[in-house]
Amino acid sequence: EVQLVDSGGGLVQPGGSLRVSCAASGFRFGDYAMHWVRQAPGKGLEWVSGISSNSGDRQYADSVKGRFTISRDNAKNSLYLQMNSLGAEDTAFYYCATGCSISSCDRKFDYWGQGSLVTVSS
Amino acid sequence: EIVLTQSPGTLSLSPGERATLSCRASQSVTSNYLTWYQQKPGQAPRVLIYRASIRATGIPDRFSGSGSGTDFTLTISRLEPEDFAVYYCQQFQRYGVSPYTFGQGTKLEIK
Repeated sequence: EVQLVDSGGGLVQPGGSLRVSCAASGFRFGDYAMHWVRQAPGKGLEWVSGISSNSGDRQYADSVKGRFTISRDNAKNSLYLQMNSLGAEDTAFYYCATGCSISSCDRKFDYWGQGSLVTVSS
Repeated sequence: EIVLTQSPGTLSLSPGERATLSCRASQSVTSNYLTWYQQKPGQAPRVLIYRASIRATGIPDRFSGSGSGTDFTLTISRLEPEDFAVYYCQQFQRYGVSPYTFGQGTKLEIK
């Protein structure tokens, strides 16, 4: 069974930093691109960042470019999002999600974590 | 960046009725890379339809998707109580500011 477990969220002051993590199991993690999608409480979905299976390609939404860094450790089946210079607008649930596999790509997010809440407030 | 506009914002219907949800793109969606998701309170989204019209594994056949280019539709033929939720469309474009964008969502509520 595919499982994605998001962790690392919490309360952080404006201008601060935080790293959220995603632990994957039940599938060949190293064969999949991975993404972070966020959702402010009571609001819609926003794609944040994506990383290819071998970390060779990383993409970011304009709203986080230069502040957030996506990374992965295929040996540990883990995905990370380092968030710096956080502002109130970054308050959201952060979900990791699977993307394209090396054998199939329909540009959708098939499996999702349960989300990790990041709250930016003084 | 392709902007997706969903309508209506809220749809009030009764179980057994037919639901028609719209997703309109500001530019043509490449290769029909248009996905529909369902999200229930406290849960992550799940894929219903991808490539505009292909039902995901395990999705009941009362859900169907149609459309191409800039206009897409999700239809639920006969609403079941568990179908009342928020629905999002999402697209992919290889080049541009953001490769993936979501619509703002349609809330399907019980009348």
